Amino acid sequence: GENVEQHPSTLSVQEGDSAVIKCTYSDSASNYFPWYKQELGKRPQLIIDIRSNVGEKKDQRIAVTLNKTAKHFSLHITETQPEDSAVYFCAASPNTGFQKLVFGTGTRLLVSP
Amino acid sequence: EAGVTQSPTHLIKTRGQQATLRCSPISGHTSVYWYQQALGLGLQFLLWYDEGEERNRGNFPPRFSGRQFPNYSSELNVNALELEDSALYLCASSSGTGGFIQPQHFGDGTRLSIL
Repeated sequence: GENVEQHPSTLSVQEGDSAVIKCTYSDSASNYFPWYKQELGKRPQLIIDIRSNVGEKKDQRIAVTLNKTAKHFSLHITETQPEDSAVYFCAASPNTGFQKLVFGTGTRLLVSP
Repeated sequence: EAGVTQSPTHLIKTRGQQATLRCSPISGHTSVYWYQQALGLGLQFLLWYDEGEERNRGNFPPRFSGRQFPNYSSELNVNALELEDSALYLCASSSGTGGFIQPQHFGDGTRLSIL
């Protein structure tokens, strides 16, 4: 079945720096890749997603890139702010018919003022 | 627009008991998903319900089961509780798939603690 690996497990940056989180997936049939932000004690919040027919998507300070050949996708956060501090999860949907998301193990991002 | 709501917020049970967790999807959403998030771990897919039917389940034993009601709300039942069932159980909902997976939006979860 699908397997999603996420790196790094922790990431510390200074306010204003950029942060990059990378994920790789194993199933070449995967076609949907969302990213979730989970603050301590709160629900996972969908922040951006990308489908396999698109190589890059941006939403203000957040962007996601997808390399289908290499089977990896990345989350880019520019001009980081302390409120960006959270755990970020990537996920992949292995098959349209099954609808489940396979999640990475998460990256704890700490943005220091 | 109200988001996904789950109840109860916390649930404390002992080994061998049964637990029932409830989820109400976003209005207009017909699909409900259940995930388990054990402490410090990622989210593991449990079940997917759509239009009242179980469509897919993850690698969990049969004592994890559920159902979806005509109003699209859902229950997750866990029988014969074990200590390792202690986790945050998250429900998500999405609109009808139309052949493509749709974004899933999560509730706040139910924290199940087994003593």
